[in-house]
Amino acid sequence: DTGVSQNPRHKITKRGQNVTFRCDPISEHNRLYWYRQTLGQGPEFLTYFQNEAQLEKSRLLSDRFSAERPKGSFSTLEIQRTEQGDSAMYLCASSLNRGYEQYFGPGTRLTVT
Amino acid sequence: GNSVTQMEGPVTLSEEAFLTINCTYTATGYPSLFWYVQYPGEGLQLLLKATKADDKGSNKGFEATYRKETTSFHLEKGSVQVSDSAVYFCALSGEETSGSRLTFGEGTQLTVNP
Repeated sequence: DTGVSQNPRHKITKRGQNVTFRCDPISEHNRLYWYRQTLGQGPEFLTYFQNEAQLEKSRLLSDRFSAERPKGSFSTLEIQRTEQGDSAMYLCASSLNRGYEQYFGPGTRLTVT
Repeated sequence: GNSVTQMEGPVTLSEEAFLTINCTYTATGYPSLFWYVQYPGEGLQLLLKATKADDKGSNKGFEATYRKETTSFHLEKGSVQVSDSAVYFCALSGEETSGSRLTFGEGTQLTVNP
């Protein structure tokens, strides 16, 4: 078991461009979560999936953000028309199911110039 | 809504000193409480947890007790090491969404000097 992996680890993009991040959870984990962490702050919840179903979205997830988990395995988070305020670390976590520990990936650091 | 408040500012200690990082929370019902640690360049790792009042979570010499009456979950360690230098996050998972979203505090940077 290699843990939760995220790609890319770093992304620099210009304002207005679209970006997509990928998260590969621990195999057999049914739940997958996305969080955002800005400098000096704790992670903030964005959304989560139970298998392929997206069950909850934070109001932080504006219309420019979309997340998918098409086959209940890996997940992608897309940000359209990026803004400088989107610069942050995007964290993915997975858990076996409800009530189980969430295991975090190393994150993708996004810088919007 | 749910919220977590951690003590402000970075903490700097000498090796073998006693550590306390304060954490208080606001939530309805009986949330589960967690401490996560983030070492430099690494992802968040669960350090310890407690799921009901008066439970004590412990791991690697760290302890925290779930105090319902004071809505607190303070992290303690009797003798810190240089290797404990990291950012520590207190978090909760609300009763109504148990196992779903985690609500984090702002984090406390701990630096331990030899």
